[in-house]
Amino acid sequence: EVQLLESGGGLVQPGGSLRLSCAASGFTFSSYAMSWVRQAPGKGLEWVSAISGSGGSTYYADSVKGRFTISRDNSKNTLYLQMNSLRAEDTAVYYCAREDIVVVPAAMYYYGMDVWGQGTTVTVSS
Amino acid sequence: EIVLTQSPGTLSLSPGERATLSCRASQSVSSSYLAWYQQKPGQAPRLLIYGASSRATGIPDRFSGSGSGTDFTLTISRLEPEDFAVYYCQQYGSSPPRTFGQGTKLEIK
Repeated sequence: EVQLLESGGGLVQPGGSLRLSCAASGFTFSSYAMSWVRQAPGKGLEWVSAISGSGGSTYYADSVKGRFTISRDNSKNTLYLQMNSLRAEDTAVYYCAREDIVVVPAAMYYYGMDVWGQGTTVTVSS
Repeated sequence: EIVLTQSPGTLSLSPGERATLSCRASQSVSSSYLAWYQQKPGQAPRLLIYGASSRATGIPDRFSGSGSGTDFTLTISRLEPEDFAVYYCQQYGSSPPRTFGQGTKLEIK
């Protein structure tokens, strides 16, 4: 069964740090790009960060650039999000999601975020 | 920077009716890079549509997507009770690399 399982959420003070993990199973992890998406209480979805299958390319939303770092360990089938200098506005449920992107010569095909974890809650508060 | 604006914010309909949800982009988006998701309370989002009009695996054919350029539509032909949820459009691109719309809540009238 294809599955993503997040962990590492919790309560942290403003200015603190936290590292989220996302354990993947049931598919060839290194073949897929991965994203982190968050949802603040009562709000919509906000894309946070993405990483290519090899880990060689990373992307960030402006709201987290310079504070968050995405990485992956393909030998452990695990995705990470290191969050530093946390702010109250980072409070949210954080989801990891698999992205199906196929790149062929002269073309790229995007098949969406087709597998999601159940989410892990991060609360930034003093 | 591409911004996705969804309308209406809330749509009140009855089971059996047709639902039409709109997603408008501030700049042209390749239809290949536009997706729709459904989210129910307490659950993770679920992929419905990719490439603007292709249904994801296991999605019923009452869900359909259309559009190009800056205007995209998600249509649910005959609403079932389980379809009442929040729907998001999402683009994949270069600036920013991914963006979600603010969502449309589909509620029972």
